[in-house]
Amino acid sequence: EVQLVESGGGLVQPGGSLRLSCAASGFTFSSYSMNWVRQAPGKGLEWVSYISSSSSTIYYADSVKGRFTISRDNAKNSLYLQMNSLRDEDTAVYYCARALVAVAGLDYWGQGTLVTVSS
Amino acid sequence: SYVLTQPPSVSVAPGQTARITCGGNNIGSKSVHWYQQKPGQAPVLVVYDDSDRPSGIPERFSGSNSGNTATLTISRVEAGDEADYYCQVWDSSSDPLYVFGTGTKVTVL
Repeated sequence: EVQLVESGGGLVQPGGSLRLSCAASGFTFSSYSMNWVRQAPGKGLEWVSYISSSSSTIYYADSVKGRFTISRDNAKNSLYLQMNSLRDEDTAVYYCARALVAVAGLDYWGQGTLVTVSS
Repeated sequence: SYVLTQPPSVSVAPGQTARITCGGNNIGSKSVHWYQQKPGQAPVLVVYDDSDRPSGIPERFSGSNSGNTATLTISRVEAGDEADYYCQVWDSSSDPLYVFGTGTKVTVL
């Protein structure tokens, strides 16, 4: 069974940092691209970042470029999102989601981890 | 950036058909994916590549895509279909690269 489990969320002050993790199991992690998608309270879905299976290709949404860094460790079946210089508007549930390739749909999602940026 | 527009809400009686549109410039040239999200839960892929269904998704869910509009159709609607639905495309020339629609709340009367 495919499982994606996020962790690392919590309350952080504006300007602070947080590192999210996503533990994958039940599939060959190194064969899939991975994404982070977020959802602010009561709002729609917003894509954050993409990383290809070998980490050779990485994309970011403009809203997080220069502040967030996506990475993965295929040996540990894990995906990460390092979030720096956090802002109030980064408050959201963060989901990790897999895709076979960039153009494909996001076929499995984790349950999400809540990040709250507030003083 | 590429924009996908959905109606905010659609209401449908049980057993009837719900149609959710997703408008975008020449969206017919792109692969469209649809997600269902129930309150407090993660999104679930219900249609990919315009009209294909992942395993485990009922045949009642179908999709089409042409011109400037993609459509998700839910036939024989059930109470359990009440949820938010989002369309999504990947556009290599856009920022963001993954574009989600504005979302549609489906209410079963």
